[in-house]
Amino acid sequence: DTEVTQTPKHLVMGMTNKKSLKCEQHMGHRAMYWYKQKAKKPPELMFVYSYEKLSINESVPSRFSPECPNSSLLNLHLHALQPEDSALYLCASSQGVVLLGTGQNEQFFGPGTRLTVL
Amino acid sequence: AQTVTQSQPEMSVQEAETVTLSCTYDTSENNYYLFWYKQPPSRQMILVIRQEAYKQQNATENRFSVNFQKAAKSFSLKISDSQLGDTAMYFCAFMKPHNAGNNRKLIWGLGTSLAVNP
Repeated sequence: DTEVTQTPKHLVMGMTNKKSLKCEQHMGHRAMYWYKQKAKKPPELMFVYSYEKLSINESVPSRFSPECPNSSLLNLHLHALQPEDSALYLCASSQGVVLLGTGQNEQFFGPGTRLTVL
Repeated sequence: AQTVTQSQPEMSVQEAETVTLSCTYDTSENNYYLFWYKQPPSRQMILVIRQEAYKQQNATENRFSVNFQKAAKSFSLKISDSQLGDTAMYFCAFMKPHNAGNNRKLIWGLGTSLAVNP
């Protein structure tokens, strides 16, 4: 299984709503990522979890709250978002340790959640 | 800091022809990884090809091959026998080797939008 799944595919929410995005992988990867992507732009890294611990927070506003309940699951909790937060949110996973010559060092991406904030 | 430059925002090619997408990068590292990712209009980001800097042999994956010039810090992607399904955004990305506790960020180029015309 080389798939990263994300739910929901589409989400429309008001600025006062609370919602969550979910991501799951069963490849035994120990690093998981959240990205935000605007149209025709590269993904922007938001958070990285390494061995279920938050290792990178790219100065993301607190209205985005990540959670990694176990090695296969990654959530992104959303609260009081702004219209400019509308974007495609991508989840990715990769091997926990990346060493020279090990191969399979790339990140595997999910299909994304298209978020619209009204 | 590492940077990745894709100098061709948009390109087009006729079906069955060959096209080359350019990517240059800047780093002081000796060992690193380079990737080409493809994102079709359906938005699923998928890996096209990877290259480990310490390997002199250029990576190939079926119709996709790279011209990796380490001294020139160049990593171009050649697509042979272009197909309509190759229409997508193509992103070049750089990554350093790392372990569980270290930075695992992908450094992305701005992308090249490729259109394959019938």
